Amino acid sequence: DIVMTQSPLSLPVTPGEPASISCRSSQSLLHTNGHNYLNWYLQKPGQSPQLLIYLGSNRASGVPDRFSGSGSGTDFTLEISRVEADDFGIYYCMQVLFVPPTFGPGTKLDIK
Amino acid sequence: EVQLMESGGGLVHPGGSLRLSCAASGFSFSTYNMNWVRQSPGKGLEWLSHISYTGDYTYYADSVKGRFTISRDNAKNSLYLQMNSLSAEDTAIYYCARRHGNYGPVGGIDIWGQGTMVTVSS
Repeated sequence: DIVMTQSPLSLPVTPGEPASISCRSSQSLLHTNGHNYLNWYLQKPGQSPQLLIYLGSNRASGVPDRFSGSGSGTDFTLEISRVEADDFGIYYCMQVLFVPPTFGPGTKLDIK
Repeated sequence: EVQLMESGGGLVHPGGSLRLSCAASGFSFSTYNMNWVRQSPGKGLEWLSHISYTGDYTYYADSVKGRFTISRDNAKNSLYLQMNSLSAEDTAIYYCARRHGNYGPVGGIDIWGQGTMVTVSS
């Protein structure tokens, strides 16, 4: 199975400041069609995960433009330009190129 | 509103069985592939199974293959997960989840239910 790792696992951030989360996969997620098969999710406390970014860099419907995804191959980054109160929770990356799809361990973004 | 609502979780003894259900509403269920994903404190998020919109093909994680069976009834807008030979390692919140997009063998996930808790304990 593809192993997904994330860093850091805990990220204290002051509201209004930027944040960056790294995700790495054990194999390249770059498809021959040029897309990277990597999604990002946010799980707020007490809620189910919600889709933020799909195919590496595409914001899902309704996701604010302060969220951006980048990277290719095995190294990916989720950036939040200015963290807001509603952004705190656990962020997961998920590879969807191989079966089984696998998730990273999560990065907890909390208030500094 | 697009919604997925799981039910059927609870406490079950080791070796026992449980059937989870997921009721879909607010979208054309019969045109979407669906998944089951679970979340436990020890193992994080774990994808379990996928079923095509017709029910013709399915995928399973190795950890549940041969023990769990995914199925659907499009006439009832419902997804199911039959779980047999349960052990303590199956203790988790189980989510019903809708496939997102046409990329990848099972695609991404865009809609998740609220989850149903399954506890396997004697």
